[in-house]
Amino acid sequence: DTGVSQDPRHKITKRGQNVTFRCDPISEHNRLYWYRQTLGQGPEFLTYFQNEAQLEKSRLLSDRFSAERPKGSFSTLEIQRTEQGDSAMYLCASSLSAASYNEQFFGPGTRLTVL
Amino acid sequence: GNSVTQMEGPVTLSEEAFLTINCTYTATGYPSLFWYVQYPGEGLQLLLKATKADDKGSNKGFEATYRKETTSFHLEKGSVQVSDSAVYFCALSERLTGGGNKLTFGTGTQLKVEL
Repeated sequence: DTGVSQDPRHKITKRGQNVTFRCDPISEHNRLYWYRQTLGQGPEFLTYFQNEAQLEKSRLLSDRFSAERPKGSFSTLEIQRTEQGDSAMYLCASSLSAASYNEQFFGPGTRLTVL
Repeated sequence: GNSVTQMEGPVTLSEEAFLTINCTYTATGYPSLFWYVQYPGEGLQLLLKATKADDKGSNKGFEATYRKETTSFHLEKGSVQVSDSAVYFCALSERLTGGGNKLTFGTGTQLKVEL
């Protein structure tokens, strides 16, 4: 299967700890997105990369959050000093800029629980 | 800012019933509109799209028409099946720096189809 993959699928951590999530996009896709989805809500945009460049960041992305895509392939999202309000599903999506309208393909998500 | 409002669920229907899930949006300009579906335990999948006014998107028996005058994109299906049970998200896109697209989602509508 060559879809978007995310690791881990579930993460439980204690408040104040740091966590890191990984996203592997579809191999030829040059655009990569991170979204956050809380219970009962739709996904909310966090940030976006074109190749290795981070081009947009949402106001939701506080300074405790950092995302990287060092070689324009996989991406990591790190949350420092986690808070209970960070508990959510973190979704990654990828797209191909040459495609007709940039359909985003989503991964299964990483569910974070902060105790 | 842009926003999407969709009818609250859960919606429970009998198999072969007619489905309508309402979606309205607020946006500057004329965004592209989407319906995504999330089956239990799976990632978001694009169901259908419309990129300009009066376009009709269709897939798997589902349809939605981009209505500029009412800023709506209601999802319909003439005869639902048990396998259609899922959460449905209405979304719009706006351009980002570098040509990517930010998706803004509604809160989702859970559909349960019973025999």
